[in-house]
Amino acid sequence: EAQVTQNPRYLITVTGKKLTVTCSQNMNHEYMSWYRQDPGLGLRQIYYSMNVEVTDKGDVPEGYKVSRKEKRNFPLILESPSPNQTSLYFCASSLDSTGGVGEKLFFGSGTQLSVL
Amino acid sequence: AQSVSQHNHHVILSEAASLELGCNYSYGGTVNLFWYVQYPGQHLQLLLKYFSGDPLVKGIKGFEAEFIKSKFSFNLRKPSVQWSDTAEYFCAVNAPGRDDKIIFGKGTRLHILP
Repeated sequence: EAQVTQNPRYLITVTGKKLTVTCSQNMNHEYMSWYRQDPGLGLRQIYYSMNVEVTDKGDVPEGYKVSRKEKRNFPLILESPSPNQTSLYFCASSLDSTGGVGEKLFFGSGTQLSVL
Repeated sequence: AQSVSQHNHHVILSEAASLELGCNYSYGGTVNLFWYVQYPGQHLQLLLKYFSGDPLVKGIKGFEAEFIKSKFSFNLRKPSVQWSDTAEYFCAVNAPGRDDKIIFGKGTRLHILP
């Protein structure tokens, strides 16, 4: 089954404790992206990746890191989480990267992160 | 940078009412346009998309959207809503000639009264 898998589904942590949210897709998609969803702000793009070893900042990259060592995986790393990073996070992937992201995004089920 | 504006933050309708959700974007070049829906407790799913061609796009579940280039708009419509359409709706834009970001609007919460 074609899907984007995020883990964990829920995470509660404390300020400053490094964490990683994993994202994996089984569709051989080139494009992958991380979003955070906050009430009243919609989805905001954190980082995206056009292909292996190619990553770019989205609109709200501060406090986050990503890596794309393999095509299927795109982990989101919070080196020193802070309470303002409490949010619902979505990973997404898409097939087409040349000429723009022309295909639809496939979204993971989301990770609800709470930073105390 | 391109941006997306959704005019209505919260819409409440009765079943069988007609729906139109506004979406405007701010980029003058070629755009790809999307509407996504997020049902309660679920992740986003694509409703419909526009890349080129016929500006009236039909999507799943009876939704359609019309791309009006002169107005930079991509409004979502449905002639008769159902209780199951209760969800949050997001308009999104990608400017392929500019970068590979996909920018989302802030969303519109739609609540359908049975």
